[in-house]
Amino acid sequence: DGGITQSPKYLFRKEGQNVTLSCEQNLNHDAMYWYRQDPGQGLRLIYYSQIVNDFQKGDIAEGYSVSREKKESFPLTVTSAQKNPTAFYLCASRRDQGNTIYFGEGSWLTVV
Amino acid sequence: AQSVTQLDSHVSVSEGTPVLLRCNYSSSYSPSLFWYVQHPNKGLQLLLKYTSAATLVKGINGFEAEFKKSETSFHLTKPSAHMSDAAEYFCVVSPTGRRALTFGSGTRLQVQP
Repeated sequence: DGGITQSPKYLFRKEGQNVTLSCEQNLNHDAMYWYRQDPGQGLRLIYYSQIVNDFQKGDIAEGYSVSREKKESFPLTVTSAQKNPTAFYLCASRRDQGNTIYFGEGSWLTVV
Repeated sequence: AQSVTQLDSHVSVSEGTPVLLRCNYSSSYSPSLFWYVQHPNKGLQLLLKYTSAATLVKGINGFEAEFKKSETSFHLTKPSAHMSDAAEYFCVVSPTGRRALTFGSGTRLQVQP
């Protein structure tokens, strides 16, 4: 079945560590997105990519980095520069503008 | 610029009674509008979407929404709430151009037995 796979589901990070969240889609979608969701709040855009080898900062890109070397993959690295990384991270994709955006099941990141 | 305002952060209804979740938007151009539902610790699932066709949009699980341009609203309704409807609901606007979606802050729906 087609869809978006995020891994890991739960991840713990120590202070000063970089961690990478994986996002893979087999929907043949061009655009991919990373959102952050804090408890009881809406979604905020971190980064997005419209095509391979191109990506743009969203509203809260500081402390995060991404790459888009393949159409189906859009990994997110949470760097040590992100001072408050504990949150629920959602990856999404869609074919083009105006179309439905599809979400993965999310990844919980906790700083310990 | 575009924005979305969900007018209620929490809504509580009794099982079997109607549901109304309110959403107002602003957009420079005719937008695409969506409602998504999120159950705890899960991703978001599309309920319905408006893309300039019929103004009354029917979605999954008995939900529907009406696009009212004059009121810049896109309220979500359901005639009879079910316990399984308890979740967080997000109103979303998709602007023209290359930007990503703009999400409302969400409305938590509680369904009382």
